[in-house]
Amino acid sequence: GAGVSQSPRYKVAKRGQDVALRCDPISGHVSLFWYQQALGQGPEFLTYFQNEAQLDKSGLPSDRFFAERPEGSVSTLKIQRTQQEDSAVYLCASSLGDKNNEQFFGPGTRLTVL
Amino acid sequence: QQQVKQSPQSLIVQKGGISIINCAYENTAFDYFPWYQQFPGKGPALLIAIRPDVSEKKEGRFTISFNKSAKQFSLHIMDSQPGDSATYFCAVNDYKLSFGAGTTVTVRA
Repeated sequence: GAGVSQSPRYKVAKRGQDVALRCDPISGHVSLFWYQQALGQGPEFLTYFQNEAQLDKSGLPSDRFFAERPEGSVSTLKIQRTQQEDSAVYLCASSLGDKNNEQFFGPGTRLTVL
Repeated sequence: QQQVKQSPQSLIVQKGGISIINCAYENTAFDYFPWYQQFPGKGPALLIAIRPDVSEKKEGRFTISFNKSAKQFSLHIMDSQPGDSATYFCAVNDYKLSFGAGTTVTVRA
């Protein structure tokens, strides 16, 4: 079966541009997470969905970051007016939904803001 | 604030040797402690995980040791192989994962 997929794999944006990053979770996975991984660091939590409901967005660094999962499957992370400090790998993970279920990660989208 | 502290930042081990990575946490409410392995250009993948009701868990060449009273847990990689060269992250889970800073392991042939 297919794992978590993310697109695009690489994105270069000029400062001030808006970007949209897509995540396709494993079919049937209720929970979906977005993490941000800076170079040489561990992933950091951004936001969490259970089905279409965004239950936790406490990790989003600013109001320029917005995530949605309108039909409870595919999710999009949008960053408006990108800044250089937004350059990172954005990882999506999905799980079956119980608290300690394994989270399966996608390969990430590497965003570079020039 | 960082929920889990990981050390060392990097280590080099000879093929066949033992790699040991340590993590410490503060919040005793955590009840699930996974280790993730990440290769360059890939997302993290679950390697092994432990719950605090056991002190050790072994899967093949990988062992987690857990010390609940000290709030510490460690990963031991026995008989290290060049294919084990990767970055390893400990984490704590309260539905969302909080990761350590990572340890880059290099296994020399």
